[in-house]
Amino acid sequence: EIVMTQSPATLSVSPGERATLSCRASQSVSSNLAWYQQKPGQAPRLLIYGASTRATGIPARFSGSGSGTEFTLTISSLQSEDFAVYYCQQYNDWPPSTFGQGTRLEIK
Amino acid sequence: EVQLLESGGGLVQPGGSLRLSCAASGFTFSTYAMSWVRQAPGKGLEWVSSISGSGSTTYYADSVKGRFTISRDNSKNTLSLQVNSLRAEDTAVYYCARLSFGSYFNPFDPWGQGTLVTVSS
Repeated sequence: EIVMTQSPATLSVSPGERATLSCRASQSVSSNLAWYQQKPGQAPRLLIYGASTRATGIPARFSGSGSGTEFTLTISSLQSEDFAVYYCQQYNDWPPSTFGQGTRLEIK
Repeated sequence: EVQLLESGGGLVQPGGSLRLSCAASGFTFSTYAMSWVRQAPGKGLEWVSSISGSGSTTYYADSVKGRFTISRDNSKNTLSLQVNSLRAEDTAVYYCARLSFGSYFNPFDPWGQGTLVTVSS
């Protein structure tokens, strides 16, 4: 089973600033990596797939990068609606498909 | 618009059973693999089970294998999860999710709103 590790667990950033979230896989997942956003009481929403492709309707301030075992989600110029929990997920090798433990992005 | 609507959750005693359902609309259901993903209160996401578009292949997490059964009725655009021998650690919101581009090696998109299963005496 591939273990996904996200860092940091919590990230405090001011509105308008840039946020950088990291995700590491225990073995290569190629570019088969997705990022999801989850707000309280809501289902997760797909942001990025293929490590760097934005899903339909996702603003350009969200960008993803990386391949193999190291991945990054960058949110430029944070908006109030971006404060949420973010999960990475590998879908290269499954079952099982595995998620990171999440990064909580909070207002500084 | 693609929509997934779960139902069937509730409070059940340890050892009990439930049948969760997910009604799909807005897409050709039979051409997409589907999955269940759960989230325990205050915790992260855990993949539970997946089924191919035809229903011929299924996969389960080790934590639920032998207790949960995934199925689908393509004539009714419905995905189901029969959950038996429930344990306290099965308490979670259960989400129905579509494999975004049809087959297994794809992300989940979209997700339903979830149905809460609480296992407690």
